Amino acid sequence: NAGVMQNPRHLVRRRGQEARLRCSPMKGHSHVYWYRQLPEEGLKFMVYLQKENIIDESGMPKERFSAEFPKEGPSILRIQQVVRGDSAAYFCASSPATPPDNEQFFGPGTRLTVL
Amino acid sequence: LAKTTQPISMDSYEGQEVNITCSHNNIATNDYITWYQQFPSQGPRFIIQGYKTKVTNEVASLFIPADRKSSTLSLPRVSLSDTAVYYCLVGEDNFNKFYFGSGTKLNVKP
Repeated sequence: NAGVMQNPRHLVRRRGQEARLRCSPMKGHSHVYWYRQLPEEGLKFMVYLQKENIIDESGMPKERFSAEFPKEGPSILRIQQVVRGDSAAYFCASSPATPPDNEQFFGPGTRLTVL
Repeated sequence: LAKTTQPISMDSYEGQEVNITCSHNNIATNDYITWYQQFPSQGPRFIIQGYKTKVTNEVASLFIPADRKSSTLSLPRVSLSDTAVYYCLVGEDNFNKFYFGSGTKLNVKP
């Protein structure tokens, strides 16, 4: 059973461009979470999705950021008009069940660099 | 509002037992306590989870006192490969999101 996959692993964008980060959860997992990590800091929750539904987006910036988890295909975190402050590692996690039995399995992350 | 408080860093030597304590004074009745490990340039990895008393698995033990306002992760006989950041998390609402603090950076020396 393959783990959580994220691609690309590294992404470089210029200010004003769009960034698309993809996350394929573990097989059988229907819950996906996105986190952002700045250097030397802990992960910060962004959004929690189930198939075709956003359950909790309380950690998402109000502008330029969006996330989806379609019926088919990976979950996508989209950042429009990127700025230097968006440079960070973005981690995706998946879990198999509803809380409280919801151990989250993390992917290797996508490191976004905005020039 | 900080959910958890941990020491910023700890040093240890190979073969020693390491105990990392986490404070969570505002833990809610339904909250579980979960610990994750993160190596540089990798995603966090689940270590152990508990609700009260003591939980043990193949890699660690978790001690939770009766008031649940703190917890202690115990790593027996650490090795150099245990050098990592350790995060203590408590559940939130329906446990659908974790609040990661800054974690404890454990440095194991030879």
